[in-house]
Amino acid sequence: EVQLVETGGGLAQPGESLRLSCAASGFTFITYAMSWVRQAPGKGLEWVSSISPSGGTTYYADSVKGRFTISRDNSDNTVFLHMNSLRAEDTAVYYCAKDWQLGDFEFWGQGTLVTVSS
Amino acid sequence: SYVLTQPPSVSVAPGQTARFTCGGDDIGSKSVHWYQQKPGQAPMLVIYYNSDRPSGIPARFSGSSSGSTAILTVSSVEAGDEADYYCQVWSSANNHVVFGGGTKLTVL
Repeated sequence: EVQLVETGGGLAQPGESLRLSCAASGFTFITYAMSWVRQAPGKGLEWVSSISPSGGTTYYADSVKGRFTISRDNSDNTVFLHMNSLRAEDTAVYYCAKDWQLGDFEFWGQGTLVTVSS
Repeated sequence: SYVLTQPPSVSVAPGQTARFTCGGDDIGSKSVHWYQQKPGQAPMLVIYYNSDRPSGIPARFSGSSSGSTAILTVSSVEAGDEADYYCQVWSSANNHVVFGGGTKLTVL
């Protein structure tokens, strides 16, 4: 059974940093792209970032490019989202997703809430 | 940037058919994926690559895409189908994922 467990959310002040982690199990992690998608309170889904199976190629939404970094540890079946220079508009539930190929989200974690507020 | 347009709401009676439209420039040439999100839950893939159903998704869910519109159809609607439904594509023009704004299904 595929499981994706996100951790690392919480309260941060504007300008601060957070690192989200997503522990994956139940599939051959190294063969799949992984992604992060967020949802602001009461709003729709917004793609954040994706990473290729090897980690060699990354993709970012314009809203986070230059501030967020996606990475993965294939030896530990974990994908990360490093978030710097956080803004109030980054407040959202952040979901980790397993891609079927790339940019198609076959399975989702339960999400972790990030709140950016002073 | 590529834009997907969905109506904000759809309402149907139980047992009827709900149709969710997703408009986008030449969307028929792209692969469209659909997600269901119930209140307080993570999204769930219900249709991928325009018309394929993941394991465990009932045959009541079907999808099609042509020209400038993709459609998710849910037949014999049940109260448990009440949720938000999102369409999504990969835009190869800029290597970005694009979501529609979502459509809320109300079962009357």
